[in-house]
Amino acid sequence: AQTVTQSQPEMSVQEAETVTLSCTYDTSENNYYLFWYKQPPSRQMILVIRQEAYKQQNATENRFSVNFQKAAKSFSLKISDSQLGDTAMYFCAFMKGPFGNEKLTFGTGTRLTIIP
Amino acid sequence: DVKVTQSSRYLVKRTGEKVFLECVQDMDHENMFWYRQDPGLGLRLIYFSYDVKMKEKGDIPEGYSVSREKKERFSLILESASTNQTSMYLCASEDLSSLGEQYFGPGTRLTVT
Repeated sequence: AQTVTQSQPEMSVQEAETVTLSCTYDTSENNYYLFWYKQPPSRQMILVIRQEAYKQQNATENRFSVNFQKAAKSFSLKISDSQLGDTAMYFCAFMKGPFGNEKLTFGTGTRLTIIP
Repeated sequence: DVKVTQSSRYLVKRTGEKVFLECVQDMDHENMFWYRQDPGLGLRLIYFSYDVKMKEKGDIPEGYSVSREKKERFSLILESASTNQTSMYLCASEDLSSLGEQYFGPGTRLTVT
């Protein structure tokens, strides 16, 4: 069974600063996907970024980037130039691949607050 | 845009009542999921469905059942609600080809008294 660990229950950072959220996972699979999902206050959860394990290059989506360390089983999310709208719960998630019909396994989440 | 709707944002029920939570998606997605979200525990999968009339247990199915009679609708049923089922319930849908990108509903905050 896969496990996903987020060791930072809460974080806060000043607006415009850079923040890194940590995630580690445990699996015996060699082919899998990793995700960061964002749940803003009272709004629906959305996908922020996805990383395929077979790709060495770290995924990037605008101000969001990941640091994927496969050997260390680490998958951190970096938010650059943080904005007030980044305030949210962030969940790291794992999925076996590459086939469809696989489940997501979520971590316990990190509550991020951006301070004006 | 994909839209996933849930029948209620807030629900208060009494212990022992039968509770129905409904979820509807408008993008013809094959896969649908029910999670519960609790502080410090993250999202835990209750049940999922890959097709109409098909269901599979997730990690915490005890005390719950599901129904999927139509592709767009996935219902979660609490046969006899208990106080330990007080939680936020999230529904999600996913296209087979989307590789883990799930679309979530707004959630139903259920309180069982």
